[in-house]
Amino acid sequence: DAGITQSPRHKVTETGTPVTLRCHQTENHRYMYWYRQDPGHGLRLIHYSYGVKDTDKGEVSDGYSVSRSKTEDFLLTLESATSSQTSVYFCASGGPTYNSPLHFGNGTRLTVT
Amino acid sequence: DQQVKQNSPSLSVQEGRISILNCDYTNSMFDYFLWYKKYPAEGPTFLISISSIKDKNEDGRFTVFLNKSAKHLSLHIVPSQPGDSAVYFCAASVIQGAQKLVFGQGTRLTINP
Repeated sequence: DAGITQSPRHKVTETGTPVTLRCHQTENHRYMYWYRQDPGHGLRLIHYSYGVKDTDKGEVSDGYSVSRSKTEDFLLTLESATSSQTSVYFCASGGPTYNSPLHFGNGTRLTVT
Repeated sequence: DQQVKQNSPSLSVQEGRISILNCDYTNSMFDYFLWYKKYPAEGPTFLISISSIKDKNEDGRFTVFLNKSAKHLSLHIVPSQPGDSAVYFCAASVIQGAQKLVFGQGTRLTINP
C-alpha cells in the first residue's frame, strides 16, 4: 500500500459549481497524476505533476486545473462542473525512475447533475 | 483514436486453466508496457511490466509477452484462481521522466470454480 488517499470518495454537485478533489501521498514520490475512468475509455490522463508547482496537461485536460503546493498534495479543480465531467477520478503517484510502478488511490466518484 | 485497445470486454475461464488477455497498440513510440488489475471500488494495482527490449517477462503465475512487430502484448495467468477475477487494464508509455500511461478499455476476467 503506497499510502495514497483521495477525498472525498463520493461527491454529487450541480452543473456550474466549482469542485476540488484532493490527493495526498505519503511516499515522497516526485510524480503525481490525475486520471478519469469512463466506460469504454479505460483511464485517461487529465494532468500530471513532476514536482512542486510543476504541472502539465494530459490527454483530457480541458475544463480542469491542478495545483501542487507540497510534494504530498495534488489538487484537481473543476472550475465550472459539467455533466460530461461525471466520472470516477483516480489519483496516482510514482517514484523517480520510469519503471517505478504508479500507485493509485481508491478513486472519487463524482456526479454532476 | 484509441492508441491502446483491448478488444475483449470480458473473458470467462475455469479455475486452474490458463487465462490469456490481449492488448494491441498503434503508437510505435511506446516502449514500456504494463498490466494493472482492478477490483470494484478500488484503484488499479500494478501487476507486471515489460520494456520493449524484451519479449517476455515472468512473475510467478503471471507472464507478459510482447510482439513489437505486431504491436501486440498479452498477459498469461496460469493457473487461474478465483481471486484473479477482476478488470485488467493494459497500459503503455514512452520512457521519459513522467510515466504518462495510456490505458486500454479493460477486460473483465471471471474465474469460474
